[in-house]
Amino acid sequence: AQSVTQLDSQVPVFEEAPVELRCNYSSSVSVYLFWYVQYPNQGLQLLLKYLSGSTLVKGINGFEAEFNKSQTSFHLRKPSVHISDTAEYFCAVSGKAAGNKLTFGGGTRVLVKP
Amino acid sequence: KAGVTQTPRYLIKTRGQQVTLSCSPISGHRSVSWYQQTPGQGLQFLFEYFSETQRNKGNFPGRFSGRQFSNSRSEMNVSTLELGDSALYLCASSLAGGTNYNEQFFGPGTRLTVL
Repeated sequence: AQSVTQLDSQVPVFEEAPVELRCNYSSSVSVYLFWYVQYPNQGLQLLLKYLSGSTLVKGINGFEAEFNKSQTSFHLRKPSVHISDTAEYFCAVSGKAAGNKLTFGGGTRVLVKP
Repeated sequence: KAGVTQTPRYLIKTRGQQVTLSCSPISGHRSVSWYQQTPGQGLQFLFEYFSETQRNKGNFPGRFSGRQFSNSRSEMNVSTLELGDSALYLCASSLAGGTNYNEQFFGPGTRLTVL
């Protein structure tokens, strides 16, 4: 079984400041890791994914994440946020033999202040 | 290419009723997954259908069921609605099933309110 923990439920941040959203996972098998963003009244949009290879993954909108196998973490970062980054962010894991089933963390609500 | 569409977008029902939600995947996609999103439980996997067969199922009671048609469109049904079924129901489609990763594309969701 897999589980995902997002350590911060809310993160307030000023515009143009950096932000880091923390994600830890547990799994007994090798995993794929994802970050999704959800804007109000919308579905989920994939920001980035780690399948294999380089542990530093770059995604859309200037986001990046680093896979750390020893710490079972997949933290998301952005060096300079914009007002438009205000949204909820979800970390998710899929076991390599689990097909399309995703297990999500509880979400982190990011509020970017001017 | 049109994205994943879900109908209706909003729905209000009363306890004890049943409801059917619909999901049309991206053209060419054959796998459809359903998720329930609530403030208390977060995002939880309901089930996945591929080529009209249920491939995977989450930990939900039998009141939650689904099906997939030959054109890959999917419906989910919830019978004997309870207040706790109030949620945003999200559908995701992907090209294929199987054990390997297939990128999933999410629809905007159907917000169900049970009174």
